[in-house]
Amino acid sequence: GAVVSQHPSWVICKSGTSVKIECRSLDFQATTMFWYRQFPKQSLMLMATSNEGSKATYEQGVEKDKFLINHASLTLSTLTVTSAHPEDSSFYICSARNEVRNTEAFFGQGTRLTVV
Amino acid sequence: AQTVTQSQPEMSVQEAETVTLSCTYDTSESDYYLFWYKQPPSRQMILVIRQEAYKQQNATENRFSVNFQKAAKSFSLKISDSQLGDAAMYFCVHNTNAGKSTFGDGTTLTVKP
Repeated sequence: GAVVSQHPSWVICKSGTSVKIECRSLDFQATTMFWYRQFPKQSLMLMATSNEGSKATYEQGVEKDKFLINHASLTLSTLTVTSAHPEDSSFYICSARNEVRNTEAFFGQGTRLTVV
Repeated sequence: AQTVTQSQPEMSVQEAETVTLSCTYDTSESDYYLFWYKQPPSRQMILVIRQEAYKQQNATENRFSVNFQKAAKSFSLKISDSQLGDAAMYFCVHNTNAGKSTFGDGTTLTVKP
């Protein structure tokens, strides 16, 4: 079964509203989680690194005020797309690694965001 | 910084035949991991095979095997006895020790019956 759960799997929101996406590690703790964005038929681009108990680290070109990341516990990171616009429509995927077992990164199921 | 290059945007293979997907990478890390992930139309990322960079032996997972050439920074994936269910987009991925993933642009694999 999935070890990283992402919710919701799809969401439609109106322009100007905010939407929150959750990423949970189900059976392990993760001090670090990652958020990616994927456009249709393209690769995954790292948006930011979510750090438990501290500020997220954003990749160059990613607006931190637009994409708010909160990593309040060792099993949950949230990505909030604020004041969403149609150009924010995309597929967002999170990942987390079992740092104790030094495993590969496990990916969430992804969230398809459509802003209308 | 890390970069991953997949030079084949699309590949096709006849069912039951063998196909090789290419991947080269560049990294500033001394210790890292390499993966091949499969992304079917559902868009769920599925791990195909994993290679620790410190291991010289090529990883094998049933019909999937890699040719890891560390000095050449090459990491190709061979799929033997291709099946219709293998059709998907395949990503070559470099992972740092901290778990940060860098993806190639992907190769779309078509399997012909």
